[in-house]
Amino acid sequence: QKEVEQNSGPLSVPEGAIASLNCTYSDRVSQSFFWYRQYSGKSPELIMSIYSNGDKEDGRFTAQLNKASQYVSLLIRDSQPSDSATYLCAVNMWGNTPLVFGKGTRLSVIA
Amino acid sequence: SQTIHQWPATLVQPVGSPLSLECTVEGTSNPNLYWYRQAAGRGLQLLFYSVGIGQISSEVPQNLSASRPQDRQFILSSKKLLLSDSGFYLCAWSVKGGDGYTFGSGTRLTVV
Repeated sequence: QKEVEQNSGPLSVPEGAIASLNCTYSDRVSQSFFWYRQYSGKSPELIMSIYSNGDKEDGRFTAQLNKASQYVSLLIRDSQPSDSATYLCAVNMWGNTPLVFGKGTRLSVIA
Repeated sequence: SQTIHQWPATLVQPVGSPLSLECTVEGTSNPNLYWYRQAAGRGLQLLFYSVGIGQISSEVPQNLSASRPQDRQFILSSKKLLLSDSGFYLCAWSVKGGDGYTFGSGTRLTVV
């Protein structure tokens, strides 16, 4: 059974700090990895995708993937109160199989 | 550009009543389509997905059904709603081959 695990939080960080969100997955052959942000009462929004080992940076966001350890993370630099949301990790094994979502980590950035 | 429309935004229905939620995608052809449900404070539960017209895969056996009458239209239905059907229903689409999903704005369903 494919599983994606995330710490539910809440993860509280002060404004301007780095927020580090972590995700582990069970299926070793997984190939595509995604991070979604979901504000309370809203639908999830795709913010990062990563497909190969290493780091991928986009503005204040950095996704990190380590397939050997089956671990993917999201770093948010210079955290802002507007980053307060639930962050969902999603994993795709291959092809047209549906994404498997973690239950999400709630991030709270304190001004 | 591609857009996804989902309606209604909010729905309050009595127990035992029928349900029909509609989702349409514009600006793409032959998308993969998905229905998810998110109960209050819970994760995303995949209900149905479709890789083509008339092709529906069910992930969770329950009193819900899905249909894809046209390439870019996905409908979620129920003949008789239960209290446990309350939740936030999300439609999503993706291109073939494992890309990320784009979600619609969602329907918040309350069964009373």
